[in-house]
Amino acid sequence: GAVVSQHPSWVICKSGTSVKIECRSLDFQATTMFWYRQFPKQSLMLMATSNEGSKATYEQGVEKDKFLINHASLTLSTLTVTSAHPEDSSFYICSARDGGNRDEQYFGPGTRLTVT
Amino acid sequence: QKEVEQDPGPLSVPEGAIVSLNCTYSNSAFQYFMWYRQYSRKGPELLMYTYSSGNKEDGRFTAQVDKSSKYISLFIRDSQPSDSATYLCAMSPWGDDMRFGAGTRLTVKP
Repeated sequence: GAVVSQHPSWVICKSGTSVKIECRSLDFQATTMFWYRQFPKQSLMLMATSNEGSKATYEQGVEKDKFLINHASLTLSTLTVTSAHPEDSSFYICSARDGGNRDEQYFGPGTRLTVT
Repeated sequence: QKEVEQDPGPLSVPEGAIVSLNCTYSNSAFQYFMWYRQYSRKGPELLMYTYSSGNKEDGRFTAQVDKSSKYISLFIRDSQPSDSATYLCAMSPWGDDMRFGAGTRLTVKP
């Protein structure tokens, strides 16, 4: 099946610094990528939808200046958490939609961010 | 009211039992219904995918959708300890932009 990777798998950073998370589709072209956030014992929350070559669409309540998303190619999307704070600590998961299979999304393994 | 409601459990069953997991929803525009399994500290993996109403079977798993009642179910037959995970329902009007349930944590005891 299709594979989506995320890097890093976990990261610890200091408050005030920025962290970049990469999401790659390894064996297919992802026309659309999605970024989710998951708090402990809670469901996935869609943060934003990004289409290759265009600006991301953010969900209500998600600060676009804080969570910068770039979808520069058909296989790579990045999420940058700027000026991170402890409340940004969470599990961030991306998913990618196969351009050749509209209905299928494939999830990455997730990135655990801890802000100290 | 949340768009998707799912009992978070936890649910504990003995090995071999039939497991029933359910979600209700409020948005009548949802047409695509999915069940994901998520092991601890891992990303979700797609288990079942159905469009509109009806049943779908895949091995020990059966997904049911009742759009008139806005109710979906996932049944696991002959449950195994390896089925222990969190099960998330998800639904969407167009196939993307999914809305997830809270997830039900299932433990199958040997």
